Amino acid sequence: AQSVAQPEDQVNVAEGNPLTVKCTYSVSGNPYLFWYVQYPNRGLQFLLKYITGDNLVKGSYGFEAEFNKSQTSFHLKKPSALVSDSALYFCAVRPVYTGKLIFGQGTTLQVKP
Amino acid sequence: EAGVTQFPSHSVIEKGQTVTLRCDPISGHDNLYWYRRVMGKEIKFLLHFVKESKQDESGMPNNRFLAERTGGTYSTLKVQPAELEDSGVYFCASSPLASGARPRYNEQFFGPGTRLTVL
Repeated sequence: AQSVAQPEDQVNVAEGNPLTVKCTYSVSGNPYLFWYVQYPNRGLQFLLKYITGDNLVKGSYGFEAEFNKSQTSFHLKKPSALVSDSALYFCAVRPVYTGKLIFGQGTTLQVKP
Repeated sequence: EAGVTQFPSHSVIEKGQTVTLRCDPISGHDNLYWYRRVMGKEIKFLLHFVKESKQDESGMPNNRFLAERTGGTYSTLKVQPAELEDSGVYFCASSPLASGARPRYNEQFFGPGTRLTVL
C-alpha cells in the first residue's frame, strides 16, 4: 500500500535554531512530493514541491526540503526557526498518473522564544 | 483572486441526520478534490472531479457519502445518514487542468475545511 510517514507527532525547537521535520514515503515510481502547512483555523497552504532536478528545493517563508531517492525521504528544513513558524506541517506525495495526494499524519512544530 | 471557500465552517449534527457540505473552487479550476482528516490522523483522499465528472472516487468510504459537481463549478458532499465515525475535518482543494502550458504537477489549493461533529 502507498503511504507517507511523518515519524514525529511534534518537533520542538528554540527560535533561531535550525529545524527539521521528517518525512518518508512508500510510493511506486517517481512521485511528486509536497509540503503543506496549516495555521490554526486556516486551510492548508502550499510550501514547496519536488518534481525533478536538484535534490534541494526552496519554498516559501525560508523553508527548504531535501529529496533523497535512496532513502525515499523528503525532509523539511529551515536554517533559523521563527516563533511564527509554529504550525502543523503535512508531507504529501502525488503518485504519477493520479491526481490525488497521499498525506502523512502531520507534525506539529513548536518554536519557543 | 478568491481562494477555495467551504461552507459551513462548522457543523454539529446528531447521528442519523443528513449534512451537506459545499465547496467553491478557485474560478477556472477544473480539478476539484475532497479530503478528510479524522481525529488527528492523516488527511485522506475521498474523490476527484474533473469538471463535472468523477475522475476517481476510490476514497469514498461507503454509499452514505454522495458527491456532486453539477455544471462543473461548485461541489457538494452529502452524508446521509451521518454516523459517529464521520466526524472530522473535510477539506476541498482545486487545481487547474493540466495542459501543454500547465504541467500535471501543479499544487492543489486548499480551502479552510468544514469541521463536522456527529453526536
